[in-house]
Amino acid sequence: AQSVTQLGSHVSVSEGALVLLRCNYSSSVPPYLFWYVQYPNQGLQLLLKYTTGATLVKGINGFEAEFKKSETSFHLTKPSAHMSDAAEYFCAVVTGYSTLTFGKGTMLLVSP
Amino acid sequence: GAVVSQHPSRVICKSGTSVKIECRSLDFQATTMFWYRQFPKQSLMLMATSNEGSKATYEQGVEKDKFLINHASLTLSTLTVTSAHPEDSSFYICSARTEYEQYFGPGTRLTVT
Repeated sequence: AQSVTQLGSHVSVSEGALVLLRCNYSSSVPPYLFWYVQYPNQGLQLLLKYTTGATLVKGINGFEAEFKKSETSFHLTKPSAHMSDAAEYFCAVVTGYSTLTFGKGTMLLVSP
Repeated sequence: GAVVSQHPSRVICKSGTSVKIECRSLDFQATTMFWYRQFPKQSLMLMATSNEGSKATYEQGVEKDKFLINHASLTLSTLTVTSAHPEDSSFYICSARTEYEQYFGPGTRLTVT
């Protein structure tokens, strides 16, 4: 079985500040890990993914995440927040040919 | 990248009527499509997995007679909410899978009055 835990339902940052959204996973086999972003009343857009290889993954809009097997984590970061980054972020895991399992989401709030 | 479309984007219907939502993979073929439901301020809940040419596999607690899923071709899956009730009001999102990734549609906002 696989699961995802996102710490913090809401994260608030100031524009220009570091963004850190936390994600921990549970999986008995090597996972594939994803971060998605959802803007209001829209579907999900893939930010980045980890499958195999380099553990530091760079995605769109300046986001990156690092897969740390020892910590079972896949935290999402961005050095400098923009107002346009305000959205809901979902971490997800899949193993083998199973279906995606989503975390509960973290709402990122960016203040001027 | 791959594109998944949904139609309609918003629908309002009266209680007791049925509503059909279409999900299309526009530039790729998807043997597997998924239907999710999302309540306000919550995560996506998988409702069912749809494989082309076969019956959908429903998650526990999802009424298969209420949420009819048809995957008639490699690019089209439909979700029909039968005899809709206000509690069925939600945001429905479909997804299509390639070998390596799932692509999501823009969602359909269903409001049952």
